Amino acid sequence: DTAVSQTPKYLVTQMGNDKSIKCEQNLGHDTMYWYKQDSKKFLKIMFSYNNKELIINETVPNRFSPKSPDKAHLNLHINSLELGDSAVYFCASSQDLWASGSGTDTQYFGPGTRLTVL
Amino acid sequence: GNSVTQMEGPVTLSEEAFLTINCTYTATGYPSLFWYVQYPGEGLQLLLKATKADDKGSNKGFEATYRKETTSFHLEKGSVQVSDSAVYFCALSEAKTSYDKVIFGPGTSLSVIP
Repeated sequence: DTAVSQTPKYLVTQMGNDKSIKCEQNLGHDTMYWYKQDSKKFLKIMFSYNNKELIINETVPNRFSPKSPDKAHLNLHINSLELGDSAVYFCASSQDLWASGSGTDTQYFGPGTRLTVL
Repeated sequence: GNSVTQMEGPVTLSEEAFLTINCTYTATGYPSLFWYVQYPGEGLQLLLKATKADDKGSNKGFEATYRKETTSFHLEKGSVQVSDSAVYFCALSEAKTSYDKVIFGPGTSLSVIP
């Protein structure tokens, strides 16, 4: 059973198009994330949701809009794609323990979606 | 703010060589420390972690000790294999609220040649 799954694995599209990436986790975690990894492997957090509520929203163009229909799903919609959006996007989840003062637990990552904008 | 610094790669080693990847951190409190590994074409996965000073995390022959006095969490392995070729990320978490996030280092690419 895949813990964190993403679809699609590859996405090739033209500039200006709108696309979505879906993510699902079956770990029962409270928190889900989107990360962007550039060609140098640098990992940057974009968003986090806790129980369907947006918690972290880093400096990301508003063309990127996350949506969490329930706590097991976190989708990423991107409008008007640009060349600079080409990257690998990772979904992740964790069972946050900050409520009990124990801090964030291990993050579980999906396999990634390689987005190429032509 | 909190930060993580790792030695720059890429690192190339021969099989059975000793590996050290340095990681130092800056934090205001007492974070948990992690090493994640990313194999080619895959997502990151936890390699090991330590939650308090002097703890040693270990997994698959890799070890790292949480050193508060030097704010370090260096990754070591006594004898690397070709299958260890991957990108290694040091990370810290000092989450006290849901608004805090995990801080990842820039990653260190390791290539092991036969």
